[in-house]
Amino acid sequence: EPEVTQTPSHQVTQMGQEVILRCVPISNHLYFYWYRQILGQKVEFLVSFYNNEISEKSEIFDDQFSVERPDGSNFTLKIRSTKLEDSAMYFCASSGDRGSGANVLTFGAGSRLTVL
Amino acid sequence: KQEVTQIPAALSVPEGENLVLNCSFTDSAIYNLQWFRQDPGKGLTSLLLIQSSQREQTSGRLNASLDKSSGRSTLYIAASQPGDSATYLCAVMNSGTYKYIFGTGTRLKVLA
Repeated sequence: EPEVTQTPSHQVTQMGQEVILRCVPISNHLYFYWYRQILGQKVEFLVSFYNNEISEKSEIFDDQFSVERPDGSNFTLKIRSTKLEDSAMYFCASSGDRGSGANVLTFGAGSRLTVL
Repeated sequence: KQEVTQIPAALSVPEGENLVLNCSFTDSAIYNLQWFRQDPGKGLTSLLLIQSSQREQTSGRLNASLDKSSGRSTLYIAASQPGDSATYLCAVMNSGTYKYIFGTGTRLKVLA
């Protein structure tokens, strides 16, 4: 069964450092997403990406965050200067064409980010 | 602003029991609603997706219903098993957006 792959599974970094989280979405999917879940809290939407550009982003997704699809397979989330409150589990997800009537998101296992 | 609430927050039942998890949302202009399962330290697994035009979806022992006008969805689990123990999340996608708004989840424990 196709799956979304995320690396690293766990990253520990110092406050102020740059972090890049990587995702390989399902190959024929067109929409890509990042969500995060702070420990004990709700899963929160960060950003959606379609046709090589951001289609929607939340208030959380400020100038410190950026996303990129550098090639045909990877989808990355960069945090330029990490803060303590960025510590969370970050989930990548992908989905097929919304127009087909199906929009089932397939999530990766997540990347746990710990900022010290 | 869409708000999604799930009740109860936690539930513990003996094996074999049928159970209902509830989800409510404040804005009825949704595109679809999806139920997910989350195991500790793991990602989210999609269980059922209901389009806004549908009333229910079934998969095996799971049945999800949607009453868009009243802003409610239920997830029915028949003949629960210990392997069903997990957190169940309800998420709503509003019309005109690409994002899901998640509820806080119901933590289910099925006792053997």
